[in-house]
Amino acid sequence: DTGVSQNPRHKITKRGQNVTFRCDPISEHNRLYWYRQTLGQGPEFLTYFQNEAQLEKSRLLSDRFSAERPKGSFSTLEIQRTEQGDSAMYLCASSFGWAGRGTEAFFGQGTRLTVV
Amino acid sequence: AQSVTQLGSHVSVSEGALVLLRCNYSSSVPPYLFWYVQYPNQGLQLLLKYTSAATLVKGINGFEAEFKKSETSFHLTKPSAHMSDAAEYFCAVSAVGNAGGTSYGKLTFGQGTILTVHP
Repeated sequence: DTGVSQNPRHKITKRGQNVTFRCDPISEHNRLYWYRQTLGQGPEFLTYFQNEAQLEKSRLLSDRFSAERPKGSFSTLEIQRTEQGDSAMYLCASSFGWAGRGTEAFFGQGTRLTVV
Repeated sequence: AQSVTQLGSHVSVSEGALVLLRCNYSSSVPPYLFWYVQYPNQGLQLLLKYTSAATLVKGINGFEAEFKKSETSFHLTKPSAHMSDAAEYFCAVSAVGNAGGTSYGKLTFGQGTILTVHP
């Protein structure tokens, strides 16, 4: 396993268009996280899945954002009607956890979104 | 609620000099603490973690950090900087998990410290 994989690495889109990003976690990891990182800032938590269940969403995740993990493996993050403020690096991470214990999170290389 | 403050957005050292990156945290429960490193246009790589075992934690690439509860600090150090250490470093905190609850992967990050190493 080569780690967490994110596609595409870069995406340029026009304002108002929809975009979708994909994350393939480490295969044995049951937990998957999405973060957003803007320039000069640390990553901010967006949402978290345990298997296919979305257990938590940040207030940062407006109704234009939706994330899925339909079979408990890969995940997609869709942004509808993109705005310039959505320009950021979107990071995916995965970990293995059970009953309040688990491994640390391993991060992918991110998808850099530029909205023009 | 948890928060992390990294003191100094930029730190510059000479090659071979001591590296000290400061991190203070705030947490209502005993925290788990992490340091990650990020190279340009890359994801984050874990350097080390504190999970309530030994307070002095050794990580990769010669880095270590000491958890000091009385000071609510988790500063990152390396005795001798190398040019390849130039990167951005993030301190992060997660709440200790409970049954079915918070995961180690849900992290609150500091704003990052850019480390520059000059010859």
